Amino acid sequence: AQTVTQSQPEMSVQEAETVTLSCTYDTSESDYYLFWYKQPPSRQMILVIRQEAYKQQNATENRFSVNFQKAAKSFSLKISDSQLGDAAMYFCVTSGGGADGLTFGKGTHLIIQP
Amino acid sequence: DGGITQSPKYLFRKEGQNVTLSCEQNLNHDAMYWYRQDPGQGLRLIYYSQIVNDFQKGDIAEGYSVSREKKESFPLTVTSAQKNPTAFYLCASSNSGLNQPQHFGDGTRLSIL
Repeated sequence: AQTVTQSQPEMSVQEAETVTLSCTYDTSESDYYLFWYKQPPSRQMILVIRQEAYKQQNATENRFSVNFQKAAKSFSLKISDSQLGDAAMYFCVTSGGGADGLTFGKGTHLIIQP
Repeated sequence: DGGITQSPKYLFRKEGQNVTLSCEQNLNHDAMYWYRQDPGQGLRLIYYSQIVNDFQKGDIAEGYSVSREKKESFPLTVTSAQKNPTAFYLCASSNSGLNQPQHFGDGTRLSIL
């Protein structure tokens, strides 16, 4: 079984500043992927970034980057130059080696202060 | 445009009634999934299907049923056995193969009358 823990129910950051969202996970799989999904008020679920567990290099997508610490089972998301449109619920997600869907954390509500 | 269409956007169920949520995709994805989201929670997997005419139970399948008669369609029925059906339901699809990212529909909000 897989578990995902997001210890920050809510985070607030000033526009244009940098914020880091924390995530830890537990899995018995040797081959897995990690994702961050974003859910804005529209409730649509949007993929932000993906990390292959076998890759040591941290994934980066424009202003979004991750700090993947495999031994510590930690997978944090850094958002640089925060924008108002980044305001959303952010979910840390794992997938295992099989095809049985994704395991979600409970989410972090990110507030952007203008 | 390719995507996933869920309907209806809002649905109301009377006590003892079965209701069916629609999910259609034109992304040519083999795999489809149903998730439930409760307030302040992440998504939990209800059912998933990797190929036509085959599907598997997820973590919270009790009180739900699905069918996969066509590649494009994966309807979810919320039966009267589901005692707490009020939630937001999301359908997703992905390519086959390990760890493909999932694409989500816009969701259906189900409430009890």
